[in-house]
Amino acid sequence: GDSVTQMEGPVTLSEEAFLTINCTYTATGYPSLFWYVQYPGEGLQLLLKATKADDKGSNKGFEATYRKETTSFHLEKGSVQVSDSAVYFCGGLGFGAGKSTFGDGTTLTVKP
Amino acid sequence: NAGVMQNPRHLVRRRGQEARLRCSPMKGHSHVYWYRQLPEEGLKFMVYLQKENIIDESGMPKERFSAEFPKEGPSILRIQQVVRGDSAAYFCASSPLRGESNQPQHFGDGTRLSIL
Repeated sequence: GDSVTQMEGPVTLSEEAFLTINCTYTATGYPSLFWYVQYPGEGLQLLLKATKADDKGSNKGFEATYRKETTSFHLEKGSVQVSDSAVYFCGGLGFGAGKSTFGDGTTLTVKP
Repeated sequence: NAGVMQNPRHLVRRRGQEARLRCSPMKGHSHVYWYRQLPEEGLKFMVYLQKENIIDESGMPKERFSAEFPKEGPSILRIQQVVRGDSAAYFCASSPLRGESNQPQHFGDGTRLSIL
């Protein structure tokens, strides 16, 4: 069935390190893909999105490219900050009948 | 704030009681999704509703859980006879169009349900 799979966490990095959080999907259709961020005690916020193959979403220094050939949507940031510490969810919409699917979330901790 | 509004933010219930969680979608949005986030776990889809219709409830437990989105008023997620395992954060999201894949969902801040 349709699904989204994220790399397992937690991920711990030093400030200014390079970040990659892997996300892959399986789908019979062509879903739109999103990254959401959840800060402690808060709800989810949309971080970036891509609606078709080769689209690149970007926001706040984060980027992700919708790669159809590898069915991936990896999240990257060149230089993380302590304030980026949060849980990141990869998700998709449009797998069928409006259904959405999310990965299990990856906890990122950035140390000064 | 015209975002998705959920209330209450925190809800405490004793085993056997009923829990009602409310979600008012963003203005202009007619589609609502409910998710459950168990402690230390990811988001799990529960149900997708349109005004007065349940579109997909494949993630909803078969017993004790129900959801509605009436023509007027907020969407309600109702849990009857709560048990300790129902303790979780419940998130609501809304989108403007039916399954339009380029429309991201907007999330509320969630209701944290604790069962004593």
